[in-house]
Amino acid sequence: DGGITQSPKYLFRKEGQNVTLSCEQNLNHDAMYWYRQDPGQGLRLIYYSQIVNDFQKGDIAEGYSVSREKKESFPLTVTSAQKNPTAFYLCASSISTRLAGNQQFFGPGTRLTVL
Amino acid sequence: AQSVTQPDIHITVSEGASLELRCNYSYGATPYLFWYVQSPGQGLQLLLKYFSGDTLVQGIKGFEAEFKRSQSSFNLRKPSVHWSDAAEYFCAVGAKDSSYKLIFGSGTRLLVRP
Repeated sequence: DGGITQSPKYLFRKEGQNVTLSCEQNLNHDAMYWYRQDPGQGLRLIYYSQIVNDFQKGDIAEGYSVSREKKESFPLTVTSAQKNPTAFYLCASSISTRLAGNQQFFGPGTRLTVL
Repeated sequence: AQSVTQPDIHITVSEGASLELRCNYSYGATPYLFWYVQSPGQGLQLLLKYFSGDTLVQGIKGFEAEFKRSQSSFNLRKPSVHWSDAAEYFCAVGAKDSSYKLIFGSGTRLLVRP
């Protein structure tokens, strides 16, 4: 069954701690993305990766870091430098970022709450 | 700069009534347009997409959208709404920068009255 999985579904973190959100896809897609969703603001792009061992900052990369060591995995670390990390985080993938109009497939999301 | 505007934050319709959700975009070239739906606490599911050709696009779950270049719009429609359509709907444009990324509108939450 092909798709994107994110874990955990809910995550709680104390202030000052780093936390890593998992994203795995078995669609054989080259491109992967991380979005942050806040009420009334839609989705904002944090980081994206066009291919293994490559990634670029999106619109709101400050306080976040990523890695892309394997094609199927694109973990996101929310660092203590992120001032307002409580949000819903969505991972997505697509065949390639070089295809015009390429469709993105989304995972179920992780809700992060900072206590 | 590329942008997407969904002017309606909330829309309430009665079950069985018709629906139109508005989307306006700003993009210099031919846009690639998408509508996604999100149920509470879930990821996004693609309803339909427009790349080129016929300006009336059919999607899943009985939805359709019409691309109007002169109005920079891509409104989503459904002739008869079901209670299960209650969700949040996002319009997005595929924008070419160094690569093709999606720019999302802020979403419209649809409530369905029984």
